[in-house]
Amino acid sequence: DGGITQSPKYLFRKEGQNVTLSCEQNLNHDAMYWYRQDPGQGLRLIYYSQIVNDFQKGDIAEGYSVSREKKESFPLTVTSAQKNPTAFYLCASSPFETGSRETQYFGPGTRLLVL
Amino acid sequence: KQEVTQIPAALSVPEGENLVLNCSFTDSAIYNLQWFRQDPGKGLTSLLLIQSSQREQTSGRLNASLDKSSGRSTLYIAASQPGDSATYLCAVRPQGGSEKLVFGKGMKLTVNP
Repeated sequence: DGGITQSPKYLFRKEGQNVTLSCEQNLNHDAMYWYRQDPGQGLRLIYYSQIVNDFQKGDIAEGYSVSREKKESFPLTVTSAQKNPTAFYLCASSPFETGSRETQYFGPGTRLLVL
Repeated sequence: KQEVTQIPAALSVPEGENLVLNCSFTDSAIYNLQWFRQDPGKGLTSLLLIQSSQREQTSGRLNASLDKSSGRSTLYIAASQPGDSATYLCAVRPQGGSEKLVFGKGMKLTVNP
């Protein structure tokens, strides 16, 4: 089955700790995205990558970092600099094509909680 | 800066009603508009995607329309069912070279049996 997997489903972070959220896709998509969702809010873009070894900051990149060493994988690290990390994190992918007619496909999400 | 608005934030209706969900956006320079469904604690599922050159798209009991010049879209749900209860999000893909989506805050729909 093709799709996007995110792990873990729940993640707990202690003060001052960095944590990494996993996102893997087997859809052969070039572009991948990380969004943050807070209660009652829409999705806000953290980082996105249109090609391997390249990525761009989204609207709320401060306190986060990413890597894109493989086409299939786009891990997100929530650093200790992110002072309010409690949220639902969603990963997505899409074929990269300017003016693409394709939608973005979303993973099941990771809920991050602070201890 | 593109902004997407969905009003109301929540709606509760009895089963069987025909529903209209509204979405407005501030900049008409878009590639497409999409409607997504999100169940509690889950990811997003794409319902309908309307290209900027199209006026509407249909899938089963769902029909979405787009009026780009006025910056509006509506999602019509016919004969609502309890299984339609979810949060519905509207998103636009602005023109400009990136593949970013701009989302509204969503509308939480509850269909009561």
